[in-house]
Amino acid sequence: KQEVTQIPAALSVPEGENLVLNCSFTDSAIYNLQWFRQDPGKGLTSLLLIQSSQREQTSGRLNASLDKSSGRSTLYIAASQPGDSATYLCAVRLSQAGTALIFGKGTTLSVSS
Amino acid sequence: DAGITQSPRHKVTETGTPVTLRCHQTENHRYMYWYRQDPGHGLRLIHYSYGVKDTDKGEVSDGYSVSRSKTEDFLLTLESATSSQTSVYFCAIREPTGNYGYTFGSGTRLTVV
Repeated sequence: KQEVTQIPAALSVPEGENLVLNCSFTDSAIYNLQWFRQDPGKGLTSLLLIQSSQREQTSGRLNASLDKSSGRSTLYIAASQPGDSATYLCAVRLSQAGTALIFGKGTTLSVSS
Repeated sequence: DAGITQSPRHKVTETGTPVTLRCHQTENHRYMYWYRQDPGHGLRLIHYSYGVKDTDKGEVSDGYSVSRSKTEDFLLTLESATSSQTSVYFCAIREPTGNYGYTFGSGTRLTVV
């Protein structure tokens, strides 16, 4: 059974720091991996999606990497801002057709000014 | 962005009553999903649909049923609500082409008293 783990569960940093959020998964037979952001009481916003054949994706200050063989992904946030404070969720889709996303429990990030 | 709306946004109901949550999409996508989100558990799949009248169970399907009579609507029903079904419910759709990413609705907060 695929399990997705996110470490740390919570992280507090001062504004301007670069930081890395970690995601690991137990079954390397994934189709893709998607990072989401969730603000308190809100829905999920997709940040980046990496296909299994890709190594990384970038969007603005965000960079997500994927090492499928080792079952790991990282989300790098450069020059963090208070507006980055949110919960970040990692989710994988298995290779079988029709399968849904399997989520980690998230990392709650707090960026202080 | 994909158009996906959930209704109601908030609901309080009594134990033992039936409750139906609605997910509506304007994208004509084939795959739709229902998740619940609970503290300490993250997002867990309840049911999903891969076409009109085609549905399947997810990880936490006990006590829930679904129906999809039209491509655009996916209904989640709690036949007899229990306090353990107090949760935030999210609907999602999957892009049929391109990166096959998932888009989530804004959620329904259900409280069973």
